[in-house]
Amino acid sequence: GEDVEQSLFLSVREGDSSVINCTYTDSSSTYLYWYKQEPGAGLQLLTYIFSNMDMKQDQRLTVLLNKKDKHLSLRIADTQTGDSAIYFCAESNLSGGYQKVTFGTGTKLQVIP
Amino acid sequence: DAGVTQSPTHLIKTRGQQVTLRCSPKSGHDTVSWYQQALGQGPQFIFQYYEEEERQRGNFPDRFSGHQFPNYSSELNVNALLLGDSALYLCASSSQAFRAGVRNEQFFGPGTRLTVL
Repeated sequence: GEDVEQSLFLSVREGDSSVINCTYTDSSSTYLYWYKQEPGAGLQLLTYIFSNMDMKQDQRLTVLLNKKDKHLSLRIADTQTGDSAIYFCAESNLSGGYQKVTFGTGTKLQVIP
Repeated sequence: DAGVTQSPTHLIKTRGQQVTLRCSPKSGHDTVSWYQQALGQGPQFIFQYYEEEERQRGNFPDRFSGHQFPNYSSELNVNALLLGDSALYLCASSSQAFRAGVRNEQFFGPGTRLTVL
């Protein structure tokens, strides 16, 4: 089955760049996602990338996809204290004709002022 | 647009009891997916409903069941609760375009925190 893995924790100083990494096993992924979850809240979609793209940039966020190695990364430029949260990598595929999403275990980002 | 709403916010039950969680999807969406998020883990897919039928199911026992109503709202039922069922239960709504892989976004509700004692 599908599996998505992430490192558990990342600590950065305010103003620095953060890079959160993810690996996945499904070679038939359709989309790859990054979600943000703040304490006591649901999931917020930050950005996504089609599986046939290498890179996507959206303001402070840059997503890099290495499809050969099944490696996805999220770079947050000029990290702010408000970026402190848990970040989930997720991949989706069309399972039985329906899009099914599999999440990683999440990376807790701590931003030090 | 109220977005995705879930009720209740928090719930405390004891082992062996049954629980019903509710979800109303975002306006214009017809599909509801349920996820279980245990503490320190990522969300795990339970099942997906549209057209009032279960369409996909994750690796969860039959104690987990659901229902979708004609207005697209949905319920998640869990019978014979176990301590391990304690988790945040998330509902996500989406459209036919998401199901088909044409659109990428499903919208999540704030979740229901279930504690089983």
